[in-house]
Amino acid sequence: DARVTQTPRHKVTEMGQEVTMRCQPILGHNTVFWYRQTMMQGLELLAYFRNRAPLDDSGMPKDRFSAEMPDATLATLKIQPSEPRDSAVYFCASGFTLAGEDLNTIYFGEGSWLTVV
Amino acid sequence: DAKTTQPPSMDCAEGRAANLPCNHSTISGNEYVYWYRQIHSQGPQYIIHGLKNNETNEMASLIITEDRKSSTLILPHATLRDTAVYYCIVRVRQHFGNEKLTFGTGTRLTIIP
Repeated sequence: DARVTQTPRHKVTEMGQEVTMRCQPILGHNTVFWYRQTMMQGLELLAYFRNRAPLDDSGMPKDRFSAEMPDATLATLKIQPSEPRDSAVYFCASGFTLAGEDLNTIYFGEGSWLTVV
Repeated sequence: DAKTTQPPSMDCAEGRAANLPCNHSTISGNEYVYWYRQIHSQGPQYIIHGLKNNETNEMASLIITEDRKSSTLILPHATLRDTAVYYCIVRVRQHFGNEKLTFGTGTRLTIIP
């Protein structure tokens, strides 16, 4: 079964530390999303990429968050420095679109559970 | 994208059909209705989508009213594994342009043994 793989699954870190979350999209998928989920805000889109190019990162706090796709098989979300309010589940998702066609479905990973103390 | 309204929670007896409503009265002609669900501690999972015709797949059926202002997701024979939060999302489908999904608060469906 093809799936989106995220690491780490769980992370506890101290305030001020750098956190890097990694995502391996489904092989062949060219669109990658980062979502964050908290009890208060629900699921929020942070950023997404198509063909490794960032398309929309308007949901991401720019001062401490950064998202990249070093290659087609790896997406990263970095928080530096981390704060307690960043505690959340971070989901990566991927899908496939062709020029002239619309994305049909996206597939989510299991999430990275982050706690900043 | 149009806003959706869903009941915050519902119960359904195991083995019965679960009917989850969604109101999207401001939907426009080029907006599709998507349903995703999120089982506890997992990522959201795609269920089904449609424009104006009723749709069915191996997981569920989607019934969209003729005026498209509301829809119902039907799980025909609910099992305990269907306990989850169900999200109704309305989204414009564009040529290579709008892949985002905006999630609301969803309906927490509990299947009762």
